[in-house]
Amino acid sequence: AQSVAQPEDQVNVAEGNPLTVKCTYSVSGNPYLFWYVQYPNRGLQFLLKYITGDNLVKGSYGFEAEFNKSQTSFHLKKPSALVSDSALYFCAVRDILSGAGSYQLTFGKGTKLSVIP
Amino acid sequence: GAVVSQHPSWVICKSGTSVKIECRSLDFQATTMFWYRQFPKQSLMLMATSNEGSKATYEQGVEKDKFLINHASLTLSTLTVTSAHPEDSSFYICSVQTSGGAISVTDTQYFGPGTRLTVL
Repeated sequence: AQSVAQPEDQVNVAEGNPLTVKCTYSVSGNPYLFWYVQYPNRGLQFLLKYITGDNLVKGSYGFEAEFNKSQTSFHLKKPSALVSDSALYFCAVRDILSGAGSYQLTFGKGTKLSVIP
Repeated sequence: GAVVSQHPSWVICKSGTSVKIECRSLDFQATTMFWYRQFPKQSLMLMATSNEGSKATYEQGVEKDKFLINHASLTLSTLTVTSAHPEDSSFYICSVQTSGGAISVTDTQYFGPGTRLTVL
């Protein structure tokens, strides 16, 4: 079974400072990892994904994430936070061994990011 | 990425009535769509996988007779909450999985804006 953990319910960061939103995962096989952002009363917006290759993945809005296989982590980062980055962030994983034809994403519980002006 | 719309964006209904939520893939032919439910301050819970032209696959614990899913075309899937009760009040979100051909585990899911259902 696959699972995702986002250990922080909330992250507060000052505008202009770097931000990190943590994510760790557990899968049986090779992980396919995704980050989404959700603004209030809206659906999820895709930020980036790791499939294979370079461990540092660059995505939308200046976000990037680093895949670390030994630590089973996929932390989301941004060098300089904006107030408009304040939202709910979800990490998700898909495991190729979940079953033939299985495309289910398993989501973490989400981390609320607050960027303070 | 794919553009996904949902209608209505919010709905209030009386207990015992049925509510239909539409999910449309505006720029992509989606053979597979997903329906999620999200409670306040909680993560997304997959309810069912909707396959065009065939029966939906429901997750364990989701009543298929209560949450009717119809995926009649490559651009439209509907979720009907039958005989709605206050405990069905939630935020319902659909998604499509994009692929250039056969669906792959590396595909990205793109989500609709969600529908807020309130049952009085």
